[in-house]
Amino acid sequence: EAQVTQNPRYLITVTGKKLTVTCSQNMNHEYMSWYRQDPGLGLRQIYYSMNVEVTDKGDVPEGYKVSRKEKRNFPLILESPSPNQTSLYFCASSLSFGSPGFFGPGTRLTVL
Amino acid sequence: AQKVTQAQTEISVVEKEDVTLDCVYETRDTTYYLFWYKQPPSGELVFLIRRNSFDEQNEISGRYSWNFQKSTSSFNFTITASQVVDSAVYFCALSEAGTNAGKSTFGDGTTLTVKP
Repeated sequence: EAQVTQNPRYLITVTGKKLTVTCSQNMNHEYMSWYRQDPGLGLRQIYYSMNVEVTDKGDVPEGYKVSRKEKRNFPLILESPSPNQTSLYFCASSLSFGSPGFFGPGTRLTVL
Repeated sequence: AQKVTQAQTEISVVEKEDVTLDCVYETRDTTYYLFWYKQPPSGELVFLIRRNSFDEQNEISGRYSWNFQKSTSSFNFTITASQVVDSAVYFCALSEAGTNAGKSTFGDGTTLTVKP
């Protein structure tokens, strides 16, 4: 089954404790992207990757890191999480940036 | 900079009414892609349609139709004979193909409630 998986689905953590949200796709897609969704603000792009080893900043990259060492994986790293990073996070993949996106189920992160 | 505006924050209709969700975009690129996504109460994001900037043909898919007008930078979405299952948040999104290729901008979403 074609899918984008994210782990964990839910996470409660404390300020400053490094965490990684994993994202994996099994469709051999070149393009992957991370978004955060906050009430009333729609989805805002954090980082995106056009291909392996190619990543770039979206609109809200501060406080986040990503890597794309393999085509299928695109982890989101929060080196020192802060409460303002409490949000719902979505990973997406597509054949290319202009193709329809397949979204993961979302990760709800709470930073205390 | 690219921008997507969905001016309608919330819409409430009664079942079987037609409803149009507005989307206005801003871009300097001549090549770009527009999308609509649906987010039902369960939370997942579902792709509905994609249009590229060179294709202004309107599209109809069942009860759904889309009206793309470059002259007004709009990409509106109409649901005919709405049903309760159409209740969701709908997002319009824009991806440019030029120097910002890869960047994706979403509108703030329109919450549609269809009452029985």
